[in-house]
Amino acid sequence: DAGITQSPRHKVTETGTPVTLRCHQTENHRYMYWYRQDPGHGLRLIHYSYGVKDTDKGEVSDGYSVSRSKTEDFLLTLESATSSQTSVYFCAISELIWEKLFFGSGTQLSVL
Amino acid sequence: QKEVEQNSGPLSVPEGAIASLNCTYSDRGSQSFFWYRQYSGKSPELIMSIYSNGDKEDGRFTAQLNKASQYVSLLIRDSQPSDSATYLCAATYSGAGSYQLTFGKGTKLSVIP
Repeated sequence: DAGITQSPRHKVTETGTPVTLRCHQTENHRYMYWYRQDPGHGLRLIHYSYGVKDTDKGEVSDGYSVSRSKTEDFLLTLESATSSQTSVYFCAISELIWEKLFFGSGTQLSVL
Repeated sequence: QKEVEQNSGPLSVPEGAIASLNCTYSDRGSQSFFWYRQYSGKSPELIMSIYSNGDKEDGRFTAQLNKASQYVSLLIRDSQPSDSATYLCAATYSGAGSYQLTFGKGTKLSVIP
């Protein structure tokens, strides 16, 4: 997807290991978001950012932390991965908060 | 609990027919409403936004909003097999002095050639 890149695209890890997912944008949008998508639950907000070093929690933030040291990068960290964190993770960006989100291609994370 | 409810489907319509997708939301304070389309294995993409009561048309798509009934719908005219996807309804809601965006679980649409 033009303007937003997620890495890695796929990752398999073991329970208890730390994991960092990266979201990089070239659109210079102020707002960035991390969602997870699971069957039966839809898209759920983990954390979001409204500027460099400014972040806030979403509805499923437990077990996750984020950092945004530059406008273009938003990192999602699982400090100690659990099997319940197996999911597809989407990063999104927008010019105005909550308005017209543009999503990255997603990261498929499997925690064994 | 702020919720956006959608029928999970699948909704099957013949090619050329009108597909009607529905969504209800629980927060009367919701201000902005969106429809996203998600093809299997892909990321969601925005197709419509609507903010005021009534209809909003964009090509073959029409979004309808009724705030009194807390109801949002998406009509797809002249449905094509390429419209087969999961459609996600989303609404902003207010809580603890801030807004967030909540998604429904999506309705899977299948357009039969």
